[in-house]
Amino acid sequence: TQLLEQSPQFLSIQEGENLTVYCNSSSVFSSLQWYRQEPGEGPVLLVTVVTGGEVKKLKRLTFQFGDARKDSSLHITAAQPGDTGLYLCAGDWGGGFKTIFGAGTRLFVKA
Amino acid sequence: NAGVTQTPKFRILKIGQSMTLQCTQDMNHNYMYWYRQDPGMGLKLIYYSVGAGITDKGEVPNGYNVSRSTTEDFPLRLELAAPSQTSVYFCASSYLQGASTDTQYFGPGTRLTVL
Repeated sequence: TQLLEQSPQFLSIQEGENLTVYCNSSSVFSSLQWYRQEPGEGPVLLVTVVTGGEVKKLKRLTFQFGDARKDSSLHITAAQPGDTGLYLCAGDWGGGFKTIFGAGTRLFVKA
Repeated sequence: NAGVTQTPKFRILKIGQSMTLQCTQDMNHNYMYWYRQDPGMGLKLIYYSVGAGITDKGEVPNGYNVSRSTTEDFPLRLELAAPSQTSVYFCASSYLQGASTDTQYFGPGTRLTVL
């Protein structure tokens, strides 16, 4: 069974702090996606990483795909209350529709 | 464009009742998906469709049925509701095949409680 483990499960920080959340697996993925989900809404895609070691930046968010394509991290610089939400990673390991989701990291940024 | 719309937003069912969750997309996407999201768990794929008239099972299909008579609509049917089906259900669509090569657009979800 393919599993994606996300850590931490919950994170509460003050506005302006930096943070990193992780997505780990024992399986190799052909690609990995990060989503953000706000209460009462569906997930919204932030980024897709495909190449081992790849780093992508989206404003204050930095995404990295592990060299072995088994893990990924999301770093947020100077977090803002608008970053509050559930961050999900999703890995594609078999092509087509073989995508699995992690349980997510719930982030709360206090003003 | 409205994107992916789902109805209803909330529903409470009694054990054994049936209902249909509606999903419509106006982006002319061929691929559509149904997921369920349980607290503390990742999204699980229930069924998916690669085009009108073609559907296939995902990871957790038991207790559900789908149909795809048009490109736009992909309803999910629960025939005999059970408490284990209490969850939040998301419909999604994409232009290309598979999540790794294209963006999946999600609807706002339907929160279902079975008592």
